[in-house]
Amino acid sequence: DADVTQTPRNRITKTGKRIMLECSQTKGHDRMYWYRQDPGLGLRLIYYSFDVKDINKGEISDGYSVSRQAQAKFSLSLESAIPNQTALYFCATLAGDNEQFFGPGTRLTVL
Amino acid sequence: GQNIDQPTEMTATEGAIVQINCTYQTSGFNGLFWYQQHAGEAPTFLSYNVLDGLEEKGRFSSFLSRSKGYSYLLLKELQMKDSASYLCAFNQAGTALIFGKGTTLSVSS
Repeated sequence: DADVTQTPRNRITKTGKRIMLECSQTKGHDRMYWYRQDPGLGLRLIYYSFDVKDINKGEISDGYSVSRQAQAKFSLSLESAIPNQTALYFCATLAGDNEQFFGPGTRLTVL
Repeated sequence: GQNIDQPTEMTATEGAIVQINCTYQTSGFNGLFWYQQHAGEAPTFLSYNVLDGLEEKGRFSSFLSRSKGYSYLLLKELQMKDSASYLCAFNQAGTALIFGKGTTLSVSS
């Protein structure tokens, strides 16, 4: 079984809809991250969390919110989706030796 | 401020050696990473340098010079399956990995 899982893997939605992307991990890591990836722009950090209830903004947090209710789960929400939020979203954890482990990604399309 | 740069694209032939360079600027450096990413897939870990020098791991090696803010990834005996994007990232003061935009490597026969 994968150590970091994301659901859904693909999602098509309409402008203005609320969307939640979920991430679960079995690695026992405290630190979890959400990134988005766009062609030519690399991975950009949205939010990160060091522990349950701890939330920190990344480079591009506007238009997004997150929830860390348990060590193993970190969810990303788009309250009102817009087309420029169409991207590939990755959840990741960070080990104590600083290696980052990524989930398989969620491809989100906002029409 | 912080910044990380790497070439956008590179091409090479099977069996050759290629070096992908990365330069960075940050006030809180805590290690330099290289990841490989095939199209549509998650990045996978290749190497980690926290001290100056060369780290070798099979066909891949990574070099770091902290004083110059410079790293490179060296790929030897290139294979077609090495065609992918290679992402350079630094650990920002133990908080998060900050990634470059990636270098797309195309290997031809």
